[in-house]
Amino acid sequence: GNSVTQMEGPVTLSEEAFLTINCTYTATGYPSLFWYVQYPGEGLQLLLKATKADDKGSNKGFEATYRKETTSFHLEKGSVQVSDSAVYFCALKGSARQLTFGSGTQLTVLP
Amino acid sequence: GAVVSQHPSRVICKSGTSVKIECRSLDFQATTMFWYRQFPKQSLMLMATSNEGSKATYEQGVEKDKFLINHASLTLSTLTVTSAHPEDSSFYICSARTPGQGNNQPQHFGDGTRLSIL
Repeated sequence: GNSVTQMEGPVTLSEEAFLTINCTYTATGYPSLFWYVQYPGEGLQLLLKATKADDKGSNKGFEATYRKETTSFHLEKGSVQVSDSAVYFCALKGSARQLTFGSGTQLTVLP
Repeated sequence: GAVVSQHPSRVICKSGTSVKIECRSLDFQATTMFWYRQFPKQSLMLMATSNEGSKATYEQGVEKDKFLINHASLTLSTLTVTSAHPEDSSFYICSARTPGQGNNQPQHFGDGTRLSIL
């Protein structure tokens, strides 16, 4: 079946540091890939997505590139802010059209 | 647009109580809604897929008699945790899929319900 493995947290960075959260997946066919963000006390929000190989999703300074050769979709941001503190979930949607989530990575950005 | 409201946001109740959680799509009609459960420091696990006007489809290992799902209208799905016990304490999140052709429309998530059973 489908599965998503993402970098374990928690991750603590200083403001303006570079962020990478690794995500790899296992799926048959050609899944769509997503990053969701969950701010404290809130529900999940879609951060970005990519639907085919070599696509780059981007939003709010975050980027992730769909790498089929390495089955990866790593999340990056060049300069994080305190307001980026949240839990980040990598997810895929396969042929069954259901979302499969990774375990989530807690990010804390210190001023 | 595409707002999903989930209520209540937090419930604390005694063991043996049944708890109902509502999930509403406020500005769109959702023929399909999803219910997830999130354990502490773990991922979201899909519990069931709720289709308006028909029985929900439960994931393997989820007790349908324990977690009753009713999707009676195009804007409302409810999850009832029957005779809740401490092990049912968790964070429950619903999502609703916006209408459109096929099953690849985006999902929009509610803010979740923190259920604590004493």
